Amino acid sequence: EIVLTQSPGTLSLSPGQRATLSCRASQSLSGSYLAWYQQTPGQAPRLLIYGASSRATGIPDRFSGSGSGTDFTLTISRLEPEDSAVYYCHQYGSSPRTFGQGTKVEIK
Amino acid sequence: DVQLVQSGAEVKKPGESLQISCKGSGYSFTDYWIAWVRQMPGKGLEWMGIIYPGDSDTRYSPSFQGQVTISADKSIYTAYLQWTSLKASDTATYYCARRHESSGYVEDWGQGTLVTVSS
Repeated sequence: EIVLTQSPGTLSLSPGQRATLSCRASQSLSGSYLAWYQQTPGQAPRLLIYGASSRATGIPDRFSGSGSGTDFTLTISRLEPEDSAVYYCHQYGSSPRTFGQGTKVEIK
Repeated sequence: DVQLVQSGAEVKKPGESLQISCKGSGYSFTDYWIAWVRQMPGKGLEWMGIIYPGDSDTRYSPSFQGQVTISADKSIYTAYLQWTSLKASDTATYYCARRHESSGYVEDWGQGTLVTVSS
């Protein structure tokens, strides 16, 4: 099973600042089969990024993904208040599929 | 529009059985895998398993194999998650989610079903 480790656990930033979230895999993800999801309290997750760097439909361009192999990054270039959420990475290239433990982004 | 509509919240006692559902609409139900994901209170997302409604091919995560049953009835566009004997540790929100047709990522989610198991 591929273990995904996200860091930091919590990120506290001001509006307009850049957020950098990390996801490290215990084994190389062939094909960059990594996605990022955003979850706000009481809501279902929402797909942000797939294929490590492709934005899902309707996702603002301030969200970007990068990385390959074992190291992946989600960047939110200019934080807005509505970006306050927990962000999860998810690998879908190997069975069983797995999620990271999440990074909470707080907006000051 | 693609929609996955899940059944409502449940409160059950330990040892009871339960089946929750996920009805798909706005797309060809038999052509897309449906996954189930657990989220325990205050915790992260856990992949439980996935089913292809077209032929009921089902794959379980090892952590959930033997603990739950995933099934689907393609005639009514509905997937199910079933327990035969609930435990308090099954208390969680359960999401169904539709996998992208050709890639492996999950792109559409149901609203979640909260299952509470308490004596």
